[in-house]
Amino acid sequence: QQQVKQSPQSLIVQKGGISIINCAYENTAFDYFPWYQQFPGKGPALLIAIRPDVSEKKEGRFTISFNKSAKQFSLHIMDSQPGDSATYFCAASSRGFGNEKLTFGTGTRLTIIP
Amino acid sequence: EPEVTQTPSHQVTQMGQEVILRCVPISNHLYFYWYRQILGQKVEFLVSFYNNEISEKSEIFDDQFSVERPDGSNFTLKIRSTKLEDSAMYFCASRRTATTNEKLFFGSGTQLSVL
Repeated sequence: QQQVKQSPQSLIVQKGGISIINCAYENTAFDYFPWYQQFPGKGPALLIAIRPDVSEKKEGRFTISFNKSAKQFSLHIMDSQPGDSATYFCAASSRGFGNEKLTFGTGTRLTIIP
Repeated sequence: EPEVTQTPSHQVTQMGQEVILRCVPISNHLYFYWYRQILGQKVEFLVSFYNNEISEKSEIFDDQFSVERPDGSNFTLKIRSTKLEDSAMYFCASRRTATTNEKLFFGSGTQLSVL
């Protein structure tokens, strides 16, 4: 019940296209859903996050769509660029005090080709 | 942007040896974490630490693991007797508060190889 399932495992998108990565969770106590971007040899870096009181959050080219009833959320990268090539992790946590651990998805390796 | 600093970047050790992984969290942060990532797998939570105490730990964090904040700046993870399966990238992370949407900052990691 603590798992976060992420798909696809890898994704190749043409430059300028839309990259879409999906995640699903089971634990209804999760109330914070961040996406992390990781470049080789670096730690994960927060990209964008959403709480379940909204269905969509947009920051620049990055959008999270959230479907509470389906317990799914997705990351959309518009106008994908070669610099977006990285591994993307969805995550979830229940943000009670002293319990801020993140449960990560298995990651999606995104490659943007010219 | 402020950074979490981890040393060393790579550590090679023999099975059964003790290792200490070091982290310098961002200076005004109060909540500290260790995560690990086995090659090709997801990032996994190990332990959270606040006010000089462990606040939560995962089932991975057994008696072989310990954490310490020996002074006002360092945060360490010790593995007492390393096993082959401890080989992974270990990430330290910190955040200023535990309030909603407070950003969690990760370091670049220490790649631990147990031979």
